[in-house]
Amino acid sequence: EPEVTQTPSHQVTQMGQEVILRCVPISNHLYFYWYRQILGQKVEFLVSFYNNEISEKSEIFDDQFSVERPDGSNFTLKIRSTKLEDSAMYFCASSVWLNQPQHFGDGTRLSIL
Amino acid sequence: GESVGLHLPTLSVQEGDNSIINCAYSNSASDYFIWYKQESGKGPQFIIDIRSNMDKRQGQRVTVLLNKTVKHLSLQIAATQPGDSAVYFCAENINNQGGKLIFGQGTELSVKP
Repeated sequence: EPEVTQTPSHQVTQMGQEVILRCVPISNHLYFYWYRQILGQKVEFLVSFYNNEISEKSEIFDDQFSVERPDGSNFTLKIRSTKLEDSAMYFCASSVWLNQPQHFGDGTRLSIL
Repeated sequence: GESVGLHLPTLSVQEGDNSIINCAYSNSASDYFIWYKQESGKGPQFIIDIRSNMDKRQGQRVTVLLNKTVKHLSLQIAATQPGDSAVYFCAENINNQGGKLIFGQGTELSVKP
């Protein structure tokens, strides 16, 4: 069964550094998403992306964050200058269309030192 | 003080019993709902979904009930197995918000053999 894949599984970065998290969505899906989950808390929406544009973003997704579809298969989340509070699990998801099941990857654990 | 995360509601059941996990959702404009299962170290795994024009949907061993009057969603798992042990999240999609899912806090299901 096709699945969303994310790399790396764990990223350790110094505060203030840039980090890029990578995702390969399911191939026939058109909507892509990033969520995060701080340890022990619920999953929070960051951004949705369709047709090379941001469709919706949350208040968490400030100017430090950006997303990109650099080629036909990858979907990336960049954090420009990481802060301690950016430490979390970051999940990528994709869906065929809106109001269709969103399928999640197994996440990247981001640790900011 | 420092946040240590949410204390999840916990449901403990005997193997073979039926489980019912409840969720109150927040927005009367939500039109699509999903139940996810999350095992330790993994991403949310799609279980079943339901649209707001339905009040019941059945899958394999699972049933989702939707009560829009009181904004309540439930997940019933028949003949619960040890492999069902996980955290279960409900998620709601608000119409016209680019596929943004709002997750509930989760319920930890523990199945005793």
